[in-house]
Amino acid sequence: GQQVMQIPQYQHVQEGEDFTTYCNSSTTLSNIQWYKQRPGGHPVFLIQLVKSGEVKKQKRLTFQFGEAKKNSSLHITATQTTDVGTYFCAGGSGTYKYIFGTGTRLKVLA
Amino acid sequence: NAGVTQTPKFQVLKTGQSMTLQCAQDMNHNSMYWYRQDPGMGLRLIYYSASEGTTDKGEVPNGYNVSRLNKREFSLRLESAAPSQTSVYFCASNENRGTQYFGPGTRLLVL
Repeated sequence: GQQVMQIPQYQHVQEGEDFTTYCNSSTTLSNIQWYKQRPGGHPVFLIQLVKSGEVKKQKRLTFQFGEAKKNSSLHITATQTTDVGTYFCAGGSGTYKYIFGTGTRLKVLA
Repeated sequence: NAGVTQTPKFQVLKTGQSMTLQCAQDMNHNSMYWYRQDPGMGLRLIYYSASEGTTDKGEVPNGYNVSRLNKREFSLRLESAAPSQTSVYFCASNENRGTQYFGPGTRLLVL
């Protein structure tokens, strides 16, 4: 079945450093979503990418969808303590099901 | 506008007991989902309902049953709880396979 892997599993950065998490699917995706989950909280939607090679920006966050629609990345520029949490990608296959990646837990050291 | 609500927030069960987790959404979404999240792991899909009157299995359906009671409500039932079902359970809803809105979660401990 479809699998979605994320790396790294954990990342500790100094405040102000950049951060990137990568998402890889075993199958071609129709779309990909990204979520952020704060400690003790629930996942909150960040963005959805649909087109091959698509790049979207939200302030300090840059999201990319690979040309083959099997991988994606989230890059945060100049991290802040408010960026702490776990970032998940969720791959859509064109059905109603989404398969979530294993997540990358980000810790920002002030 | 409460979004997605879940009850209860916390529950402790003994092995073999049964319980139903409730989920309701007020966004008029067609699709609803149940996920479980184990410590340090991602979310795994248990069951989903693409629209009122339909339900389908996700990645980890064994040991669970669901009911789409109406467009607003989607319940998850554990018939005979096992320690392996200790987890945090999230309900979510969306429209047209778009943004998933999650509830606050139910933390379940099975002894």
